[in-house]
Amino acid sequence: QSVLTQPPSVSGAPGQRVIISCTGSSSNLGAGYEVNWYQHLPGTAPKLLIYGNNKRPSGVPDRFSGSKSGASASLAITGLQAEDEADYYCQSHDTSVSWVFGGGTKLTVL
Amino acid sequence: QVQLQESGPGLVKSSQTLSLTCTVSRGSIRSGAYYWSWIRQHPGKGLEWIGYIYYSGTTYYNPSLESRLIISMDTSKNQFSLRLSSVTAADTAVYYCARRSDSWFDRWGRGTQVTVSS
Repeated sequence: QSVLTQPPSVSGAPGQRVIISCTGSSSNLGAGYEVNWYQHLPGTAPKLLIYGNNKRPSGVPDRFSGSKSGASASLAITGLQAEDEADYYCQSHDTSVSWVFGGGTKLTVL
Repeated sequence: QVQLQESGPGLVKSSQTLSLTCTVSRGSIRSGAYYWSWIRQHPGKGLEWIGYIYYSGTTYYNPSLESRLIISMDTSKNQFSLRLSSVTAADTAVYYCARRSDSWFDRWGRGTQVTVSS
């Protein structure tokens, strides 16, 4: 069981907006640690999507945005495209295990 | 852009030692700006942080693996390595090497599947 909790799956039609949640606890997100998000297509290297709660690395479209409040965080994807179909993981620092991840959310574009 | 690539045996016998190497290209592991990490993903599960090594040789491990784990580096080859002893089926996973900057992992390898057989 992962330290950060994500829904196993979400789906949306092209052009729609989807939100992926990430719930932590008082030892990670609730302690004020930042959240980061990764996009992963099986067989490829995971890609940093959002860092420091809401910052996008160079090259990541502004369709992707992140937010955090207390012990919860979310990743929003607007204008959904077929190429967005992937697994998404949240990650943060934890006082007991240092670096922790969510269980991952599979995004299906209908 | 820096690239990372994992290498090592895909099959390890139970109770033996799992050894993997990460080769870093287009960047130096002697940079003090980064921490060189190992992360794994069990079948159908989320990601698990294993540990990291800093250019100074300082290491930090996941407490759940610390007693069986050694992470080392070879700066002459621009590589860092993982050795996990006394493996069991629970160590079967895809193993990734990654570069950590501040609190996020900004570059990853593609991962290598390791299966522990009895």
